Amino acid sequence: DAGVIQSPRHEVTEMGQEVTLRCKPISGHNSLFWYRQTMMRGLELLIYFNNNVPIDDSGMPEDRFSAKMPNASFSTLKIQPSEPRDSAVYFCASSSGQGYTIYFGEGSWLTVV
Amino acid sequence: RKEVEQDPGPFNVPEGATVAFNCTYSNSASQSFFWYRQDCRKEPKLLMSVYSSGNEDGRFTAQLNRASQYISLLIRDSKLSDSATYLCVVNSWGDYKLSFGAGTTVTVRA
Repeated sequence: DAGVIQSPRHEVTEMGQEVTLRCKPISGHNSLFWYRQTMMRGLELLIYFNNNVPIDDSGMPEDRFSAKMPNASFSTLKIQPSEPRDSAVYFCASSSGQGYTIYFGEGSWLTVV
Repeated sequence: RKEVEQDPGPFNVPEGATVAFNCTYSNSASQSFFWYRQDCRKEPKLLMSVYSSGNEDGRFTAQLNRASQYISLLIRDSKLSDSATYLCVVNSWGDYKLSFGAGTTVTVRA
């Protein structure tokens, strides 16, 4: 079975550019999460969707970050404009509901120079 | 105080040794507990869920102590392939948020 699929796997971009990360959750999962991981801060939840609806975006760092989930099989995380401090691994994860195991994608490794 | 706290380690152990470490959580309403494993430059993957009565999965044993609000992971007969960071994960019933610990690093040496 296909797991959570993320793209791109790696991206290097210049400060000020727009970055779009993409995610396809596991089929049938109704919960989707975007996490960011850095050495300093560990895993941070950015936003949570349930049935395609954003439930909690309190972890989104600032207005430069936005996320959408137009349908059950696709989500995007956009950073505009990007800054060097946004450099991190961005994980998308999905689960079949509250309290259930969440499954992570392989991550998108972002470097902003 | 952080919701989930772990000893970051590293725990450096020889092959064949037993290694154990704990994770404490602050929310007494927590209901679901997991151990995830994360290899270097990889995504976290579920290692095992932790049940109230404790549970084993091969060489791995997980325990839950609700009174003292901690969970533990014990690895017997360590293999080189067990080298990884182990993340403690806690969830409260009705809460979608999983609280992740910062991880405990284990290095198994030949």
